[in-house]
Amino acid sequence: DAKTTQPPSMDCAEGRAANLPCNHSTISGNEYVYWYRQIHSQGPQYIIHGLKNNETNEMASLIITEDRKSSTLILPHATLRDTAVYYCIPVGGGSTLGRLYFGRGTQLTVWP
Amino acid sequence: DSGVTQTPKHLITATGQRVTLRCSPRSGDLSVYWYQQSLDQGLQFLIQYYNGEERAKGNILERFSAQQFPDLHSELNLSSLELGDSALYFCASSVGPPGVRSDTQYFGPGTRLTVL
Repeated sequence: DAKTTQPPSMDCAEGRAANLPCNHSTISGNEYVYWYRQIHSQGPQYIIHGLKNNETNEMASLIITEDRKSSTLILPHATLRDTAVYYCIPVGGGSTLGRLYFGRGTQLTVWP
Repeated sequence: DSGVTQTPKHLITATGQRVTLRCSPRSGDLSVYWYQQSLDQGLQFLIQYYNGEERAKGNILERFSAQQFPDLHSELNLSSLELGDSALYFCASSVGPPGVRSDTQYFGPGTRLTVL
């Protein structure tokens, strides 16, 4: 499985864009990059995923570098409710297909 | 609201006891997954079922077992409980089937188990 590296914590002012980086330099060609977040002890919430191209939905944008070794999750206008732990998870490799490996993630704190 | 439901929300029991956690997947989802989140281990995959059959196993103890019923709901049975089993237990569901690489999992609100 591809290993990921995320900063343990970040903060952001309310209304500003939050850019959360993830390094996944060992990702394989058929693995998607998924992003989830967990707001204090609630169930993890799916945010977005992508393979090669940049993706955007109503929650966020995902920028994947051309070599696929890293990605950035962008919350365009962060609110206090976006305070959570954000997880970057490569998905889709071989025998581990179907299971999500959550690392330590990034604790994002949005301040007023 | 993800559409995945879990009961009960909280469960307090004693060591040595047995409990059952229940999960109802989103309408139309055939795969169910169980995860455990403890303070020192983070979120860990336990087991996956697809349309009633076990498909993948993670770090699930022998004291734990699960099943998926014909109506697709799933139960996680935890027996001979120990203090260290205190954790949040999450269920997730996805459309499935296994082999689909971009099959998004949606999580329920979890069951908080406290073993005294």
